[in-house]
Amino acid sequence: GAGVSQSPRYKVAKRGQDVALRCDPISGHVSLFWYQQALGQGPEFLTYFQNEAQLDKSGLPSDRFFAERPEGSVSTLKIQRTQQEDSAVYLCASSTASMGEEETQYFGPGTRLLVL
Amino acid sequence: DQQVKQNSPSLSVQEGRISILNCDYTNSMFDYFLWYKKYPAEGPTFLISISSIKDKNEDGRFTVFLNKSAKHLSLHIVPSQPGDSAVYFCAASAYNYGQNFVFGPGTRLSVLP
Repeated sequence: GAGVSQSPRYKVAKRGQDVALRCDPISGHVSLFWYQQALGQGPEFLTYFQNEAQLDKSGLPSDRFFAERPEGSVSTLKIQRTQQEDSAVYLCASSTASMGEEETQYFGPGTRLLVL
Repeated sequence: DQQVKQNSPSLSVQEGRISILNCDYTNSMFDYFLWYKKYPAEGPTFLISISSIKDKNEDGRFTVFLNKSAKHLSLHIVPSQPGDSAVYFCAASAYNYGQNFVFGPGTRLSVLP
């Protein structure tokens, strides 16, 4: 079956531009996660959705970052007024787990964002 | 302060030999651990996991060992194959802390033919 897909795969933005990154999770997966991966580092948690509810956004680095999942499937991560330090790979993951369950997360290929 | 550490940035192993990748954690609340493998330009791919109620989990050539008292886990790959060359991430989560995983910085494994 289809895995997690993300678009675009690559995005170049000028500093100050707004960007929107899309994630299509595996069909039927309840949970959806966004991670940020800087060069040479492991992924760092940004935010978590269970269906359409954003249950944890503690990892979002600033109020310029906003995520939504209005119908409980596709999610969009929006970054307003991009800064050079936002340059990273943004990974989306989904899982079947509900709150409190242990379950593997399946990752998409990521969107590589470069802010000039 | 890194809660999940992988102190070896890189590791080279001869094909057919054992690869041992190590991971240490500081948060005693972590109770679920995973290893992911990542090839360039791809997302991390799940490899193997272990719950804190176990000390060993095996899946084919891959075995994960957990030492809770030492807050240490390791991934053994036997025998190593050139296709195993990738970056390996250790990840941990805590039942009461929500669903997100905390990742280590990764270890780049090179399996030499």
